[in-house]
Amino acid sequence: GESVGLHLPTLSVQEGDNSIINCAYSNSASDYFIWYKQESGKGPQFIIDIRSNMDKRQGQRVTVLLNKTVKHLSLQIAATQPGDSAVYFCAENKSNYKLTFGKGTLLTVNP
Amino acid sequence: DADVTQTPRNRITKTGKRIMLECSQTKGHDRMYWYRQDPGLGLRLIYYSFDVKDINKGEISDGYSVSRQAQAKFSLSLESAIPNQTALYFCATSDGTGGVAQYFGPGTRLTVT
Repeated sequence: GESVGLHLPTLSVQEGDNSIINCAYSNSASDYFIWYKQESGKGPQFIIDIRSNMDKRQGQRVTVLLNKTVKHLSLQIAATQPGDSAVYFCAENKSNYKLTFGKGTLLTVNP
Repeated sequence: DADVTQTPRNRITKTGKRIMLECSQTKGHDRMYWYRQDPGLGLRLIYYSFDVKDINKGEISDGYSVSRQAQAKFSLSLESAIPNQTALYFCATSDGTGGVAQYFGPGTRLTVT
């Protein structure tokens, strides 16, 4: 979920388990959402997106779920691997193609 | 080759110095953005440009300026650097016709002493 203060929420999972990362968004009028992955020392990398007229979208080992009623977005990663260790954050398009980004969740995958 | 490149990747400069960060892209996108990232604060938009003749301020533009030299190039300047501008800076691009997703460069780590 979203962080408070200077500390990122963290999620620690065992290799092979499924991971679920959550994000609460703020604007009920947002029409487009994206999940990004950021590895240490690198720029954010696009993972998957979803439009507000959908409630689920699947990619390769990832699924994004959108619950507009409670303004909640989740990213599910199947069979989590050590290479999935990174900070994950969501972004919403509130208006005019300017994205607003969440602060992120640190995912650690234990071998 | 990377689609979005940034130079320099690391820079240490002194308070009061002028510094320019450069961004180039080969994605053919019209829209380009500059963000800064600070621990615990996420990505914050500094400036954005939807085409060569369009420049817009983001949420934290004070102390920064930009230049869109061509469709593929967007540079960020700090006219007189101050220590609280120490941060990671990212350039991003998006295709205005195809969607909203933004694609990021590798970042510049800037330290102002």
